Amino acid sequence: AQKVTQAQTEISVVEKEDVTLDCVYETRDTTYYLFWYKQPPSGELVFLIRRNSFDEQNEISGRYSWNFQKSTSSFNFTITASQVVDSAVYFCALSEQENTGFQKLVFGTGTRLLVSP
Amino acid sequence: DTGVSQDPRHKITKRGQNVTFRCDPISEHNRLYWYRQTLGQGPEFLTYFQNEAQLEKSRLLSDRFSAERPKGSFSTLEIQRTEQGDSAMYLCASSLVETSTDTQYFGPGTRLTVL
Repeated sequence: AQKVTQAQTEISVVEKEDVTLDCVYETRDTTYYLFWYKQPPSGELVFLIRRNSFDEQNEISGRYSWNFQKSTSSFNFTITASQVVDSAVYFCALSEQENTGFQKLVFGTGTRLLVSP
Repeated sequence: DTGVSQDPRHKITKRGQNVTFRCDPISEHNRLYWYRQTLGQGPEFLTYFQNEAQLEKSRLLSDRFSAERPKGSFSTLEIQRTEQGDSAMYLCASSLVETSTDTQYFGPGTRLTVL
């Protein structure tokens, strides 16, 4: 069965520090997709990135970067030079494509990031 | 381009009452999903529509829950005879199916409190 583990429940950093959020997943399929979402205090899940299982290239978007390693089933997320506005709960999610084309997201339990000034 | 909207944002009800939530997806999106999120947990899948057809339901969706998407646009989620265990955030997401996958965009959620 699919499973996503985010072992870090809460991380506290001081502004401008770099921080890495860990994500480990389990799946039997060879075709799958990984996602990161941000959930600020307002509650809305904000899409950050999608990565398919055939693309192991790391990605950088501004202060955000993602490291996908199939060998260790990990999809870690790094925020460089963190800011107070980065404070939120971050969720890693996994989806598998069913025969009907339907994709259900399986989420981890999230990592709460607190960035203090 | 407006995002996914949900109404109401908050609902407080007494045990045993019925409640209904509405979700308006992004206008051109043909897939719509409902998730439930309890405190300290990630969202859990409830059900999914492609256009007006409900194609998948989780076993979390008991007989007291029903969802509709009558014209393939907005959707409603109704909970009958609410129980305290139904207290949660109910999230709606929509997506546009592509050739390989689709990205789900979420609304702000409806927080339900059952007293």
